[in-house]
Amino acid sequence: GAVVSQHPSWVICKSGTSVKIECRSLDFQATTMFWYRQFPKQSLMLMATSNEGSKATYEQGVEKDKFLINHASLTLSTLTVTSAHPEDSSFYICSVMGRDYGYTFGSGTRLTVV
Amino acid sequence: QQQVKQSPQSLIVQKGGISIINCAYENTAFDYFPWYQQFPGKGPALLIAIRPDVSEKKEGRFTISFNKSAKQFSLHIMDSQPGDSATYFCAASIRGNKLVFGAGTILRVKS
Repeated sequence: GAVVSQHPSWVICKSGTSVKIECRSLDFQATTMFWYRQFPKQSLMLMATSNEGSKATYEQGVEKDKFLINHASLTLSTLTVTSAHPEDSSFYICSVMGRDYGYTFGSGTRLTVV
Repeated sequence: QQQVKQSPQSLIVQKGGISIINCAYENTAFDYFPWYQQFPGKGPALLIAIRPDVSEKKEGRFTISFNKSAKQFSLHIMDSQPGDSATYFCAASIRGNKLVFGAGTILRVKS
């Protein structure tokens, strides 16, 4: 599978500010990346599918204007949480779909909005 | 039809025992069935995966059993160790598309 780096691993921000999370595919040119959100003791919830060079496909109920996804290169996708509020506090995880259609996950980002 | 149902929610096993986690799916178009292990504060890591043309796959202490007719697959962890204590997720996908996750199983291996 691909080698995936996600940064930062944790971030604390003030309510109303924006936060950017990066997901890098270090050894594979990833045309497709996925962004998930996970609440404590729950499963992963897919937020959006990020395709290089095109607009992301958001899952039903996910606000695309709040969770901005950019996949401008084959090795980098970013998730920006805009005007963050305490209810946006969660664990965000990216995933890369590799050449064998396997999926490799990043180490996750713990976002806390205060 | 897109759901993957996972059971049990939690599991306690004695060290050296066998841990068994089960999943069931509805969508017969699924063609990739991975199992992930997740430790607190970390992203999921692929343990083992199977495709529907195989009924069983073994990697070390981890075995996937796959029953295509019953639309079920399971993870067996042999000789379970305290270090195996984690949350386990089954998932399914149609080749090249998004993964559908089960609800997860919290495994605790008692020493």
